[in-house]
Amino acid sequence: DIQLTQSPSFLSASVGDRVTITCRASQGISSYLAWYQQKPGKAPKLLIYAASTLQSGVPSRFSGSGSGTEFTLTISSLQPEDFATYYCQQLNSYPQYTFGQGTKLEIK
Amino acid sequence: EVQLVESGGGLVQPGGSLRLSCAASGFTFSSYAMHWVRQAPGKGLEYVSAISSNGGSTYYANSVKGRFTISRDNSKNTLYLQMGSLRAEDMAVYYCARELRSYCGGDCYYNWFDPWGQGTLVTVSS
Repeated sequence: DIQLTQSPSFLSASVGDRVTITCRASQGISSYLAWYQQKPGKAPKLLIYAASTLQSGVPSRFSGSGSGTEFTLTISSLQPEDFATYYCQQLNSYPQYTFGQGTKLEIK
Repeated sequence: EVQLVESGGGLVQPGGSLRLSCAASGFTFSSYAMHWVRQAPGKGLEYVSAISSNGGSTYYANSVKGRFTISRDNSKNTLYLQMGSLRAEDMAVYYCARELRSYCGGDCYYNWFDPWGQGTLVTVSS
């Protein structure tokens, strides 16, 4: 099975900061990676698919990059509503679509 | 509006059974593969099971293989997860999700999950 490791697991930042979350795959997955945002008590929400394609309606301050084994999610200027937990998901090996362990983004 | 609504969660004793449902609306349900993902209290997302659009192909994570059965009724626009021999570690919020695909050339298809249902809580306790 392909394993995904996110770093950091916890991140403390302030409104207006630029933050980057990394997701590393145990083997190459091309660009078959998605990012989700989850707020407490809510379902995950799609942010980015195909590693770098922004889902319709998602603010442009979110961006994704990478291919192969290393990927990043960047938020260019944190807004209050961005404090949440973020997950990466690999969709390379159908249908064993594993998730990273999550990165909790908290207000400093 | 594209929507998924789960139901069927509740309290069940260890060793018991439960059937979850996921009602789909706003899209052609029979055209999409569907998935179940769960989240234990305070934990991350765990991929559970998948079913192809026509129901002919299914997949289970090792943690539930042999105990859970995924199925769908395309005439009712509904996805199911029959859970048996439930254990304490199966306690979680269970989400259903639709898989979307985008062609990227040759035999390449990018895919992702959208939308997700609101989740239904399964509690396993005596």
